[in-house]
Amino acid sequence: QSVLTQPPSVSEAPRQKVTISCSGGSSNIGSNAVSWYQQLPGKAPTLLIYYDDLLPSGVSDRFSASKSGTSASLAISGLQSEDEADYYCAAWDDSLNVVIFGGGTKLTVL
Amino acid sequence: EVHLVESGGRVIRPGGSLRLSCATSGFTFDHYGMSWVRQAPGKGLEWVSGIDWNGGSTGYADSVKGRFTISRDNAKDSLYLQMHRLRDEDTAFYYCARVITSGWFGTADYWGQGTLVTVSS
Repeated sequence: QSVLTQPPSVSEAPRQKVTISCSGGSSNIGSNAVSWYQQLPGKAPTLLIYYDDLLPSGVSDRFSASKSGTSASLAISGLQSEDEADYYCAAWDDSLNVVIFGGGTKLTVL
Repeated sequence: EVHLVESGGRVIRPGGSLRLSCATSGFTFDHYGMSWVRQAPGKGLEWVSGIDWNGGSTGYADSVKGRFTISRDNAKDSLYLQMHRLRDEDTAFYYCARVITSGWFGTADYWGQGTLVTVSS
């Protein structure tokens, strides 16, 4: 069981907006930056969001993220079929002294 | 363009040893920390180990501490993971990733394509 908790799956129709949550604690999300990764089927993960809410160059602005207290969330607007992927949140944990990942959320675009 | 290419994965018996390599290009290697992240087939991501820009500081997940050693050769722009006493549960795709800073932990902004390690008798 992951220290960062994500819903196993979410689904939404094309052109709609979906939000993926990531719940942690004071030793991780509550005190350190959150990153989000996208993993397309059969591919390596890629960075989607860093330092809580920053988009790397080249990432679509349909992706956004926020953090409040010990929880973070990733929002994807204008859903497209190519957004179907697994999404992972991650953060450093001050108590465990490791980088921790959420269990991942599988997004299905209906 | 940043490239990370892992190699060295194969089928290995439990208790065996294996060394993974990650060849990099497209960036100034000794300006960045590096890490290894693994993913068991059909499972989620697990951070394995990290190393700072000059190898002076490293970190390991509890699951591999004492069995795995991360290292780097800045002259060769390469990252390594020496794995000993391999267990069935070490079976996974191993990804090499660049850390966004010079430290050994943090956001991984570029990832390789992964190399598969299968521990099986």
